[in-house]
Amino acid sequence: AAGVIQSPRHLIKEKRETATLKCYPIPRHDTVYWYQQGPGQDPQFLISFYEKMQSDKGSIPDRFSAQQFSDYHSELNMSSLELGDSALYFCASSLGGGQSKNIQYFGAGTRLSVL
Amino acid sequence: GENVEQHPSTLSVQEGDSAVIKCTYSDSASNYFPWYKQELGKGPQLIIDIRSNVGEKKDQRIAVTLNKTAKHFSLHITETQPEDSAVYFCAAINDYKLSFGAGTTVTVRA
Repeated sequence: AAGVIQSPRHLIKEKRETATLKCYPIPRHDTVYWYQQGPGQDPQFLISFYEKMQSDKGSIPDRFSAQQFSDYHSELNMSSLELGDSALYFCASSLGGGQSKNIQYFGAGTRLSVL
Repeated sequence: GENVEQHPSTLSVQEGDSAVIKCTYSDSASNYFPWYKQELGKGPQLIIDIRSNVGEKKDQRIAVTLNKTAKHFSLHITETQPEDSAVYFCAAINDYKLSFGAGTTVTVRA
């Protein structure tokens, strides 16, 4: 079965540069979530989108922005990168509506290293 | 917001023994409790979940129990195997947002 696809898998950037992470949800899933996971930590919720509208917001810095497109894929844009932004970034998707809306399936993640 | 606590942080068991991980949550409105397994370099993988209207759920060697009154839920792995070695996260959801526990690193000794 198709899973959540994230690209790129690895990304190396310099401080103050910009990065764009992409997420392609499971087919027919309409909700996308972004998480940040630091070394040895649990994933921290950043932001989510349902039907191309922002549905919830967590601890996302103002330097970050995200959107969901008409084909339901999502992009996380990160500007003015800082060393502390180095982390694993996961995207998850779910099918909105009913009880299935809570079941989130995760992608393999993008490892961002800021030098 | 929701606060999920998870214990223990590390767990080492002999192959064939059982492993138990316990979590507590703070928001009584949380109604869905998934468990994720994360292997090195991979994303969290959903292994089992339970909803607030159910007290116990079992899937082969994995079982989860939920005590809504006490706001406790637990993961039980029986007959552990080396491939069960991973980091396990409990989580709680109120509406859409997942709140994770800090994770338990499980090591199964052969």
